[in-house]
Amino acid sequence: NAGVMQNPRHLVRRRGQEARLRCSPMKGHSHVYWYRQLPEEGLKFMVYLQKENIIDESGMPKERFSAEFPKEGPSILRIQQVVRGDSAAYFCASSPTPQGIGEKLFFGSGTQLSVL
Amino acid sequence: AQSVTQLDSQVPVFEEAPVELRCNYSSSVSVYLFWYVQYPNQGLQLLLKYLSGSTLVKGINGFEAEFNKSQTSFHLRKPSVHISDTAEYFCAVSTQGAQKLVFGQGTRLTINP
Repeated sequence: NAGVMQNPRHLVRRRGQEARLRCSPMKGHSHVYWYRQLPEEGLKFMVYLQKENIIDESGMPKERFSAEFPKEGPSILRIQQVVRGDSAAYFCASSPTPQGIGEKLFFGSGTQLSVL
Repeated sequence: AQSVTQLDSQVPVFEEAPVELRCNYSSSVSVYLFWYVQYPNQGLQLLLKYLSGSTLVKGINGFEAEFNKSQTSFHLRKPSVHISDTAEYFCAVSTQGAQKLVFGQGTRLTINP
């Protein structure tokens, strides 16, 4: 059973371009969470999705960021018109149940986004 | 709202020495507490958790942590570290019914031979 797969591992974009980060949850997991880690900071919650639904997007910036988890395929975190401040490591986690107490939460290796 | 403070951004220790990584939290309600480890080029892995009951919890790889409610702390300890323990360690807090974890800034543990 493969773990949570994120790709690409590293993504370089120029200012103004779009960034698409992909997350394939563990088999049987229908709950996906995205976290962002800015340099020298801890991970910060961005969004929680179930299949085809956004449950909690309280941590998402109001503009340029969007996320989806379609019925088929991976979850996508999309950042439009990237700026240098978007440079960070983006982590995806999946769970077979709502996270609740976090013990069944599995993290991917992250995507390091660098904006030039 | 909850917050987590990891007091040390980097901790260098010699191999086979003991280590303590400090974590303090702030919350107005009861909390669940976690320590995660991130080895180089890997995702976060759960080390141990406190949900309720005994305040001393044991985790994988010989680590343990003690929940101290009066001091709002959840410090991580290991009596004798190995080179393989070199990693970034994150303390995190959640509450019952919450859908998210609140993480500290992380502590980079470096083991010197």
